[in-house]
Amino acid sequence: TQLLEQSPQFLSIQEGENLTVYCNSSSVFSSLQWYRQEPGEGPVLLVTVVTGGEVKKLKRLTFQFGDARKDSSLHITAAQPGDTGLYLCAGAPRQAGTALIFGKGTTLSVSS
Amino acid sequence: DTAVSQTPKYLVTQMGNDKSIKCEQNLGHDTMYWYKQDSKKFLKIMFSYNNKELIINETVPNRFSPKSPDKAHLNLHINSLELGDSAVYFCASSQGDRGKTGYTFGSGTRLTVV
Repeated sequence: TQLLEQSPQFLSIQEGENLTVYCNSSSVFSSLQWYRQEPGEGPVLLVTVVTGGEVKKLKRLTFQFGDARKDSSLHITAAQPGDTGLYLCAGAPRQAGTALIFGKGTTLSVSS
Repeated sequence: DTAVSQTPKYLVTQMGNDKSIKCEQNLGHDTMYWYKQDSKKFLKIMFSYNNKELIINETVPNRFSPKSPDKAHLNLHINSLELGDSAVYFCASSQGDRGKTGYTFGSGTRLTVV
């Protein structure tokens, strides 16, 4: 069974601080995705990383896929209260006909 | 305009009852999914259909039965509801390589069994 370990589980920071969320596995994935979920809503896709070592930026968010395609990180620069939410990483197994496997999520709270 | 819509949004019912959750997507996607999110926010795959054909059936009690009348709809029927079934159920859809295109989720159905 492929698992994705996400850390930290909870993060409470002040506006303007930087943070990094990690997603690790012992398995290789064909891609890694990051989602953000707000209360009462479903997860919304932020980014997909496909190539080992790939780095993608989305405004103040930087996503990286590990060289071996087993891990990923999400870095937020100068966090804002609007960044508050649940961040989920999800891995696409290489085997066809399988569903995305989700990490257990990181609940981020940014206070002003 | 809603891409993936689920009904109802909230469902409160007594143990032993039978209930259904409906899901529809207007994105033209060929694959639909049911995920269960527990109280710790962990999302676990339950079922997946591709063009009305069941392709993923995880270890889920027989009381749960998905039905896909066409590729735009995926419903979930639950028999003899138990307290442990309380959770948020999400429907999602994807097109082609889900590893590259990702999922579009509905807003969830919060099921509370009392």
